[in-house]
Amino acid sequence: DAGVIQSPRHEVTEMGQEVTLRCKPISGHDYLFWYRQTMMRGLELLIYFNNNVPIDDSGMPEDRFSAKMPNASFSTLKIQPSEPRDSAVYFCASSGFWSGNTIYFGEGSWLTVV
Amino acid sequence: GESVGLHLPTLSVQEGDNSIINCAYSNSASDYFIWYKQESGKGPQFIIDIRSNMDKRQGQRVTVLLNKTVKHLSLQIAATQPGDSAVYFCAENIRGSQGNLIFGKGTKLSVKP
Repeated sequence: DAGVIQSPRHEVTEMGQEVTLRCKPISGHDYLFWYRQTMMRGLELLIYFNNNVPIDDSGMPEDRFSAKMPNASFSTLKIQPSEPRDSAVYFCASSGFWSGNTIYFGEGSWLTVV
Repeated sequence: GESVGLHLPTLSVQEGDNSIINCAYSNSASDYFIWYKQESGKGPQFIIDIRSNMDKRQGQRVTVLLNKTVKHLSLQIAATQPGDSAVYFCAENIRGSQGNLIFGKGTKLSVKP
């Protein structure tokens, strides 16, 4: 079975540019999570959705960050405008009833803002 | 097994030895715990989980122990192999918060051949 699929795997962009990260959750999962990982702060939950509806976005750093889930098989995380401090690995993850509370992660999108 | 800032605690073991990675969790309302393994350049990978009504669970070469009295979780890896080298995270789920896991900072396991 395909796991969580993220794109792009790597992105280098200039400060001020818009960045869009994409995610396809595991089919049948009804929860989708966006995490950010840095050396200083570890894994941080940014936002999560249940049945395509945002449930908790308290982890989103500021208004420059936005996330959408237009359907059950696709989500985006957008940063506009990007800043060097946004450089991190962004993970999408999903879970479903049949998997209990186990969250399955994608391979991550490695973002560098210069 | 918790870290502050840039420095992950590191456990170095000889190939074939057993490894024990520890984790202190924070919330007495947590009812579900997971261990993840993260290899360099990859996403966290599920290893084993345990619910709060248990104190031990075994998988293939791995055992998780839960001590709710002192809010402590441990991961034991038997006959550690070079492929076990990775960063290991514990995560806790607070009762009632579906899937919203709180992650520890991680422990780096280094296996010497």
